[in-house]
Amino acid sequence: GQNIDQPTEMTATEGAIVQINCTYQTSGFNGLFWYQQHAGEAPTFLSYNVLDGLEEKGRFSSFLSRSKGYSYLLLKELQMKDSASYLCAVHDSNYQLIWGAGTKLIIKP
Amino acid sequence: GAVVSQHPSWVICKSGTSVKIECRSLDFQATTMFWYRQFPKQSLMLMATSNEGSKATYEQGVEKDKFLINHASLTLSTLTVTSAHPEDSSFYICSARLLAGAQEQFFGPGTRLTVL
Repeated sequence: GQNIDQPTEMTATEGAIVQINCTYQTSGFNGLFWYQQHAGEAPTFLSYNVLDGLEEKGRFSSFLSRSKGYSYLLLKELQMKDSASYLCAVHDSNYQLIWGAGTKLIIKP
Repeated sequence: GAVVSQHPSWVICKSGTSVKIECRSLDFQATTMFWYRQFPKQSLMLMATSNEGSKATYEQGVEKDKFLINHASLTLSTLTVTSAHPEDSSFYICSARLLAGAQEQFFGPGTRLTVL
C-alpha cells in the first residue's frame, strides 16, 4: 500500500526554527509537495521537490532524499501566523496525490 | 498564481435534501479537477477526479450516485450531494490542475457542509 508518515503535532517557540519530517512509501514517485493549511481553510502550496536536495524559499526550505523516501520542511524565524497544519503529499506513478495526515504546528510566544 | 473559487463557502441543509457545490478556475483552464473531503483533524481524502467532458473517476468507497460530479467546462465542476445525511457533514474542497502531470494543484477555499 501507499503510506506517508509525519508527526501528528509539534510545538515550537516564536523566533525559533522547526523541522517537520515526512517519510513516504508510494508506488512510483513524481514529486513531493508541502502544503500549509490553517484551521477551516483550504491548503496553500508551499514547496515542490522532485530532485534530491534542498529548495529554499524565504523562511521556508524543503529537503528531499528519494533513496531514503524522506523529506523535511524547515521553518525559520517562526512567527505566530505559522501556526497551522503542514501537509506532505507525494505524486505517485499516475500523478495521483497521496496525502499525509498533516502535522499540526503550535507556535508559543 | 492560479485562482480557484468555490461556492457556497458554507451551507446548512436539512437531512434528505440535495446540495450543489460549484468549483471554478478563474484565470486558467483546468483539464482536471479534484474533489476532496476532510473531516475534523483528518487529512484530505480524495473523493473523485473529473476531466472535462468525461465521467468522473471515483475513489473506492465513494458512492457515485450520491456524490454527482459534472465537469461541464474547462473552468467549472460541480459536486452535488444527493439526499444528504448528517454523516455527510464535512469540509469539501476542490482543486484544479492545468495540465496532466503538472506539478501543482490549486485549491479552492472549501465549502463547509452541515446537514441537520
